[in-house]
Amino acid sequence: GESVGLHLPTLSVQEGDNSIINCAYSNSASDYFIWYKQESGKGPQFIIDIRSNMDKRQGQRVTVLLNKTVKHLSLQIAATQPGDSAVYFCAETSNAGGTSYGKLTFGQGTILTVHP
Amino acid sequence: GAVVSQHPSRVICKSGTSVKIECRSLDFQATTMFWYRQFPKKSLMLMATSNEGSKATYEQGVEKDKFLINHASLTLSTLTVTSAHPEDSSFYICSAGPRTSGTWGGETQYFGPGTRLLVL
Repeated sequence: GESVGLHLPTLSVQEGDNSIINCAYSNSASDYFIWYKQESGKGPQFIIDIRSNMDKRQGQRVTVLLNKTVKHLSLQIAATQPGDSAVYFCAETSNAGGTSYGKLTFGQGTILTVHP
Repeated sequence: GAVVSQHPSRVICKSGTSVKIECRSLDFQATTMFWYRQFPKKSLMLMATSNEGSKATYEQGVEKDKFLINHASLTLSTLTVTSAHPEDSSFYICSAGPRTSGTWGGETQYFGPGTRLLVL
């Protein structure tokens, strides 16, 4: 199935707290997942990715967790800063070939607001 | 590296006119480019996949005669909104997949900054 655009949920945190943003994906054939950050009026910016043969991947201040059993993806941001305020989208794709090759399906997104 | 630009960044046009949006990969060759549409406070919806030198592949429900896509070179794809109407007002975003070893791996995509279209 395809993810459908919905009104975005919100998450408000205090500066310095850890943030966890969740995403449920729909296609069990998806094997590559990406988190994007989108600031107002701008295009999505790559944060971190993970392949389906992994369940955890860490970057600088960010960690992505993948649970294929329940088709769930999460993004953890450590020591959240005001500059992290943005909309965060997960995206899924399959590299299995065919007409869906490389096509990203975006999740609904989450608005993160970090208060100083 | 891996910069994608879009032009114009915003455009206002009258109903019935056509608008062309350019998507360029500045420092890499893009075999494949994608066009997305995003309404306020909504997610990105894929409109079409643009492959260099061939016809674009449109997603279900996207009118190919209304949203004309041309990918004439490995660094440029254009989206033309023909006979634009107020309901076409949206944020249009392109992404590009870099060409490596002659093909695209289907993974990494770099996004442009988007084009805000307002049809009066």
